[in-house]
Amino acid sequence: DQQVKQNSPSLSVQEGRISILNCDYTNSMFDYFLWYKKYPAEGPTFLISISSIKDKNEDGRFTVFLNKSAKHLSLHIVPSQPGDSAVYFCAAESNDYKLSFGAGTTVTVRA
Amino acid sequence: DVKVTQSSRYLVKRTGEKVFLECVQDMDHENMFWYRQDPGLGLRLIYFSYDVKMKEKGDIPEGYSVSREKKERFSLILESASTNQTSMYLCASSPRTTSLNNEQFFGPGTRLTVL
Repeated sequence: DQQVKQNSPSLSVQEGRISILNCDYTNSMFDYFLWYKKYPAEGPTFLISISSIKDKNEDGRFTVFLNKSAKHLSLHIVPSQPGDSAVYFCAAESNDYKLSFGAGTTVTVRA
Repeated sequence: DVKVTQSSRYLVKRTGEKVFLECVQDMDHENMFWYRQDPGLGLRLIYFSYDVKMKEKGDIPEGYSVSREKKERFSLILESASTNQTSMYLCASSPRTTSLNNEQFFGPGTRLTVL
């Protein structure tokens, strides 16, 4: 059973608008959450993270929100740019160095 | 900068062949991981290693084995390749720290096709 779920396989957004990617998890032992970005034919690269003791973390155009009671996190990209078109993976860790990944969301930013 | 390299970007093998995928990292990381990425399934952990000579099964170890003889090198072995092992294989490494920031650094991936 997948412990991390990204229920939207794809998202299309106009350049300059907000992209919102969602992620749900089932394991209450997860204490650290990450978002990775992946371009075709490349490995994933780290984007932003948040620990379970926080509810928000911001880095430039990227903000991650965590709602522990709902076991839900989201990634906001504002404003979206064409270079943001990629697959985004949500991942979670429970203090054993292993990451559990979601299935990914493909973001397409339209000019 | 952390660099994780994988021996091949693309590989085509025949059913039944023994396949070796090599991964090398240059940042003295203790932890190394092998994943496969398939559409709709995300990244699934095959095997991981916390130290030289150590290995642990991940979520989908069947049909695979690993070897870690040196700290910087982690090899994935397909003993007898099958068509359902056609996939993108990703290697990653991370340091063993006590902090919460346990980012994993990924290699570029190997696209393996088994005919």
